[in-house]
Amino acid sequence: DGGITQSPKYLFRKEGQNVTLSCEQNLNHDAMYWYRQDPGQGLRLIYYSQIVNDFQKGDIAEGYSVSREKKESFPLTVTSAQKNPTAFYLCASSISGNTIYFGEGSWLTVV
Amino acid sequence: QKEVEQNSGPLSVPEGAIASLNCTYSDRVSQSFFWYRQYSGKSPELIMSIYSNGDKEDGRFTAQLNKASQYVSLLIRDSQPSDSATYLCAVNWGNQFYFGTGTSLTVIP
Repeated sequence: DGGITQSPKYLFRKEGQNVTLSCEQNLNHDAMYWYRQDPGQGLRLIYYSQIVNDFQKGDIAEGYSVSREKKESFPLTVTSAQKNPTAFYLCASSISGNTIYFGEGSWLTVV
Repeated sequence: QKEVEQNSGPLSVPEGAIASLNCTYSDRVSQSFFWYRQYSGKSPELIMSIYSNGDKEDGRFTAQLNKASQYVSLLIRDSQPSDSATYLCAVNWGNQFYFGTGTSLTVIP
């Protein structure tokens, strides 16, 4: 099946710990995105990438890092510098700015 | 500053009625507009895209675009309880997608 796979679905982070969220797509899409959604809020862009080995900061990039070593993969690391990381994280992809499709999301909670 | 504005609701309609959801955006340059449905705790799923002025129909859904007024709407005919969800408006500027905060819709049986 073609789609976007995010893992893990649920993740718990301790104070001072870095965690990485995985995102893999087999849609052959060029562009990939990471969004954060807080309860009752809209989607806020963290990072996006148009091509391999290149990515740009979105509106709320502080405390996050990404890599794009393969077209299919766009992992997001939530670093200890992100002081309020509890949220729903959505990975998405598109063909060069055309319709954007989402993975199932990952829930991150600080414990 | 690119902004997408939606009335957060909640919007309640009786089953079988027409639900009307509205969205405005700040930049005339945008060419692509999308409506997504998001159930609680789930990721957004695409309902419709629209690129030209006028109406676009798909089953019970109709998207309406007015670029001069910077306005896009979604009509849901014969609303069903399963339509109860949050509806997100999205606008594409270049290679980025901007989302409204969503309108919560409840369809009352």
